[in-house]
Amino acid sequence: SQQGEEDPQALSIQEGENATMNCSYKTSINNLQWYRQNSGRGLVHLILIRSNEREKHSGRLRVTLDTSKKSSSLLITASRAADTASYFCATSSIQGAQKLVFGQGTRLTINP
Amino acid sequence: DVKVTQSSRYLVKRTGEKVFLECVQDMDHENMFWYRQDPGLGLRLIYFSYDVKMKEKGDIPEGYSVSREKKERFSLILESASTNQTSMYLCASSSPPNQPQHFGDGTRLSIL
Repeated sequence: SQQGEEDPQALSIQEGENATMNCSYKTSINNLQWYRQNSGRGLVHLILIRSNEREKHSGRLRVTLDTSKKSSSLLITASRAADTASYFCATSSIQGAQKLVFGQGTRLTINP
Repeated sequence: DVKVTQSSRYLVKRTGEKVFLECVQDMDHENMFWYRQDPGLGLRLIYFSYDVKMKEKGDIPEGYSVSREKKERFSLILESASTNQTSMYLCASSSPPNQPQHFGDGTRLSIL
């Protein structure tokens, strides 16, 4: 069954603007992770947030987690053309801690 | 840095052939994973392994098998390739299993 689901499926913004992507999930989690994938390449881990954390920062990335709503958001500030990629959330559930379940991703396009 | 290497970036095979996809990681990770990625479906877990000679089915194991004879190498086998197995295949490793996964660049497999 699909765990993480990203919203929107596609997002197109101008360079310099902020980009926000959302992820919803269904079961109780140990942690939630965000990954980035450039076209035709593998995924690259961006940030991990544990279930007892509410917010985490890494450079221009800000991730929030609301376990009561079973949702997370990824904010990329001051976007650059190089941020153009697909972004995936992945959850590690308490029941199935041996694996991650990935959402379908958000395709982000930054227009110069 | 962790390096996960997949043996081929592109592969073309014929229906009915036995196909081997190889993956090697250099960070002594216990856990290795095989996913397939299709448009609109995101990443789906085929098999994973948490130790040498150990394997667990993922969400879509039908038509596939795996082999892990050495810790650093995890092979995905298509016993009798079919056209519906045309896809992007991604290998990943991690330690422990619910921590960030490190991905290879993927193998784009076409079955004709």
